[in-house]
Amino acid sequence: IAGITQAPTSQILAAGRRMTLRCTQDMRHNAMYWYRQDLGLGLRLIHYSNTAGTTGKGEVPDGYSVSRANTDDFPLTLASAVPSQTSVYFCASSDGASTQYFGPGTRLTVL
Amino acid sequence: QKEVEQNSGPLSVPEGAIASLNCTYSDRGSQSFFWYRQYSGKSPELIMSIYSNGDKEDGRFTAQLNKASQYVSLLIRDSQPSDSATYLCAPRVRLRGSTLGRLYFGRGTQLTVWP
Repeated sequence: IAGITQAPTSQILAAGRRMTLRCTQDMRHNAMYWYRQDLGLGLRLIHYSNTAGTTGKGEVPDGYSVSRANTDDFPLTLASAVPSQTSVYFCASSDGASTQYFGPGTRLTVL
Repeated sequence: QKEVEQNSGPLSVPEGAIASLNCTYSDRGSQSFFWYRQYSGKSPELIMSIYSNGDKEDGRFTAQLNKASQYVSLLIRDSQPSDSATYLCAPRVRLRGSTLGRLYFGRGTQLTVWP
């Protein structure tokens, strides 16, 4: 079934640990995005990628990094997790001209 | 900072009624507009998109856009309990230096349809 997969589904992480959230899409979309969703704050863009090999910063990029080695994968890395990064993380993709499709999300808790 | 404001809610309507969800946006460069529905614990799913001023109907859903007033709305006719969810308004703005765009999301309006 075509779509976006994210892993892990949920994770509890000690502060200071490194963590990579995985995102893979099979729709051959050029654009991919990472959002975080916090209660009362809505969805906020962390990083995006227009195409393989390029990335850009969204509105809340600090503490996060991304890479885009190929079209399908767009991992998000927390180099040293902090409790304020506790959130639900959504990966999304689009063909650039229209709709964004969202993955199922990763629920991350940093203690 | 681009602002997207939605009626704060929660909004509660009886089954069969019309639910009206409103959204205003600050960026006049917004090109297109999307409404997403998000059930609790799930990811957002697209229900409507609108690109031009006026109304667009899809089944029980009607999106309305007024770019001069920077206003977009979603009407849900014959509301059903299964419509109970959070509805997110998302204007699309072109990324600087790119032909691609990004969405700016409102905080959402929680809708409850009671039987």
